[in-house]
Amino acid sequence: EVQVEESGGGVVQPGGSLKLSCAASGFTFSDSALHWVRQASGKGLEWVGRIRSKTYNSATEYAESVKGRFTISRDDSMRMAYLHMSGLKTEDTAVYFCSGMIGDAFDVWGRGTRVTVSS
Amino acid sequence: ELTQPPSVSVSPGQTARITCSGDELPKKYAYWYQHKPGQAPVAVMLKDSERPSGIPERFSGSSSGTTATLTISGVQAEDEADYYCQTADVSGTYVFGPGTKVTV
Repeated sequence: EVQVEESGGGVVQPGGSLKLSCAASGFTFSDSALHWVRQASGKGLEWVGRIRSKTYNSATEYAESVKGRFTISRDDSMRMAYLHMSGLKTEDTAVYFCSGMIGDAFDVWGRGTRVTVSS
Repeated sequence: ELTQPPSVSVSPGQTARITCSGDELPKKYAYWYQHKPGQAPVAVMLKDSERPSGIPERFSGSSSGTTATLTISGVQAEDEADYYCQTADVSGTYVFGPGTKVTV
């Protein structure tokens, strides 16, 4: 079965750091781009960033709202992707989804992991 | 930036049409995702009008100029969800529309 599963969410103070993980199975992970998308409570989906496959040098792109604070990495041997978040702000509070791009679309999604930034 | 109507209300068996407008759409494909509370989003339309495997035939898509449209014909109760359009920006980033809540 094609699936991804996020983990690592929790409560963190403003200015703090957190690392989210995304475990993938059922598709050729090493050939796929991995994205992170978030959804604040009552709001819509917001694209956070992407890491491309090794074929494209694992290049990363980020939304302006997180650039310089968030970093995406991947470990193809473990079929894992990560979202390293630092300098967290209250407005980063959201459910964070991992999505695998097998073709050109966000083809496979997890159920998300909740991040709360609060003092 | 993409714009969508906040909500669409439709009776069972009728047709729901959800529009998505954006200046990039003449040059870029639109994709559509269905999202139910507490669940993982699901792609329901690819590249303007390609239906992914497993998506019912009542879902169809089209695009003309700056507007893409997702049509659900013969709406069923299970189609009640939030629907998001998405496209790729020229800068290599991605953008989602604000979402449309479909109420059946």
